[in-house]
Amino acid sequence: DTAVSQTPKYLVTQMGNDKSIKCEQNLGHDTMYWYKQDSKKFLKIMFSYNNKELIINETVPNRFSPKSPDKAHLNLHINSLELGDSAVYFCASSRKTGGLIYNEQFFGPGTRLTVL
Amino acid sequence: GENVEQHPSTLSVQEGDSAVIKCTYSDSASNYFPWYKQELGKGPQLIIDIRSNVGEKKDQRIAVTLNKTAKHFSLHITETQPEDSAVYFCAASKGNAGNMLTFGGGTRLMVKP
Repeated sequence: DTAVSQTPKYLVTQMGNDKSIKCEQNLGHDTMYWYKQDSKKFLKIMFSYNNKELIINETVPNRFSPKSPDKAHLNLHINSLELGDSAVYFCASSRKTGGLIYNEQFFGPGTRLTVL
Repeated sequence: GENVEQHPSTLSVQEGDSAVIKCTYSDSASNYFPWYKQELGKGPQLIIDIRSNVGEKKDQRIAVTLNKTAKHFSLHITETQPEDSAVYFCAASKGNAGNMLTFGGGTRLMVKP
């Protein structure tokens, strides 16, 4: 009964490969996010999707392509992986946002991506 | 865009002592300030938040204060316990544009028994 789940938990791959990380939430939330946490623990928003529509793209290279097949899923596909992509990637979700609505973001357990 | 700075980066306290973590933000339009706790190998978890119409909020041993004029907010943990050891993140949001959170750099809190 995990609220926000991600697979895989660990991903080790070679430079130049293409890989995907899957995220699912069973909270009935409308908004989902991807964050990147680097080796110094700094957390930065990458994407935000509201009801399957992209609403934030924080200057992420177009090698990163999020895909939201439905409200409960937001997958992250990464093409031509580079060494600098090594990080922990967190998926999160919240209830519908907008205006002065502030809703708690629930985070998944993270996926540690290592690019060799 | 918003910039959030957090201090200290590491904090070591004796069990039972208090711990204070401070954050400053740059965008005066920010009006929602959550604090997250991240334990080893896990995702961040919300522990307390404060909105701009409130100056202080308390939840058992945890309290947060907000000074909008000075654009800074702080987390206070009293009677610290070893299980409080974790990395703590402050964040700021304007509550629109997708509820985007800008995080501080994190504080590693170590509570020594």
